Amino acid sequence: AQKVTQAQTEISVVEKEDVTLDCVYETRDTTYYLFWYKQPPSGELVFLIRRNSFDEQNEISGRYSWNFQKSTSSFNFTITASQVVDSAVYFCALSEPSGGGADGLTFGKGTHLIIQP
Amino acid sequence: DGGITQSPKYLFRKEGQNVTLSCEQNLNHDAMYWYRQDPGQGLRLIYYSQIVNDFQKGDIAEGYSVSREKKESFPLTVTSAQKNPTAFYLCASSIKATRAYSNQPQHFGDGTRLSIL
Repeated sequence: AQKVTQAQTEISVVEKEDVTLDCVYETRDTTYYLFWYKQPPSGELVFLIRRNSFDEQNEISGRYSWNFQKSTSSFNFTITASQVVDSAVYFCALSEPSGGGADGLTFGKGTHLIIQP
Repeated sequence: DGGITQSPKYLFRKEGQNVTLSCEQNLNHDAMYWYRQDPGQGLRLIYYSQIVNDFQKGDIAEGYSVSREKKESFPLTVTSAQKNPTAFYLCASSIKATRAYSNQPQHFGDGTRLSIL
């Protein structure tokens, strides 16, 4: 069975603060894929990043960075110098090839990020 | 532009009525999915389709039906058997839904919000 836990239901910070969204996953597979999606108020989920289980290199894209640690089964997402436009619900998701890929993704319950001006 | 179009954006259902949510994609993707999103519950898979004329039940298929007569279209019918249909429904697609493509992200539409009158 696979499981994704986003323990932070809601986070509220003031603009320009740094914020980290946590994601912990469970899987028995050695090969798997992790994703982060952003859901702004408009409703559409926007793909942000994918990470393969065999690639533990952290990634930075502008103000966004991702810290993948297999030892702790975590794939955390940090926004540096947050902006009001970052306000959204963020989902972490897990995909396992052993599941045939056909069952889609297993999503966490999401973290609602509120950036106050 | 390529993407996924869901309609309508808002839909109201009367007791005992079936309603159909539309999902169209022009990404030339083989696989399509329907998710249900409830507050604080993340996304749950209703049905998915790997190819035309084929579809499979997801985790919460009861009270729903789908068809896949064309590659571009994957409509979802919420039947009267679904006793708690009020939710936000998201349609998604991906290149394929096979094991070899489980690393591919899904692309989402803007969603349909269904409410009971």
